[in-house]
Amino acid sequence: KNQVEQSPQSLIILEGKNCTLQCNYTVSPFSNLRWYKQDTGRGPVSLTIMTFSENTKSNGRYTATLDADTKQSSLHITASQLSDSASYICVVSPSGGYNKLIFGAGTRLAVHP
Amino acid sequence: DGGITQSPKYLFRKEGQNVTLSCEQNLNHDAMYWYRQDPGQGLRLIYYSQIVNDFQKGDIAEGYSVSREKKESFPLTVTSAQKNPTAFYLCASSMRGQNWVGELFFGEGSRLTVL
Repeated sequence: KNQVEQSPQSLIILEGKNCTLQCNYTVSPFSNLRWYKQDTGRGPVSLTIMTFSENTKSNGRYTATLDADTKQSSLHITASQLSDSASYICVVSPSGGYNKLIFGAGTRLAVHP
Repeated sequence: DGGITQSPKYLFRKEGQNVTLSCEQNLNHDAMYWYRQDPGQGLRLIYYSQIVNDFQKGDIAEGYSVSREKKESFPLTVTSAQKNPTAFYLCASSMRGQNWVGELFFGEGSRLTVL
């Protein structure tokens, strides 16, 4: 069964600290992996999209890594800010399945001053 | 600015009533989607449409209906047959293609509460 598992479920860090969120998937065949940021009560916003041939991709203070062999991805947030408080969702797309995205349940991050 | 507009933001419904959620996009996207988001779960696909006058059931279509009469619009009706409709509903759109790696854009969501 195609699944996307994210850890931890929730995380609290202090402003200015770094953190790493994990995403493991069992989707096959694999096309691409996306990370989204979702503020409370808002729609998700795309952070990165990576295909199987990409190992890392950055978007400002957000850096995503992908290991297609172990089917793991991580999202690293550097020098966290209060505005980083949100849920971060990992989404995996099977090959040829733009209408079959598989969403993780998300990691809820709280950044405290 | 280009984007996706969902309305209403909040909606309350009595049991047995049908309600319609609006979704409009001005991104000139062919494909549109409706997702349902529940606490502690990943988004689940309700319906999607690749082109005007055509739509397909997603994973949890029971109790929902849609129409796609215009490229820009993809309304979702939550019928009385949906047994647990309280949720956060998200509309999205994208370009379409066989090996799609494009962006999926989301609206701001509509929160439906059944009283």
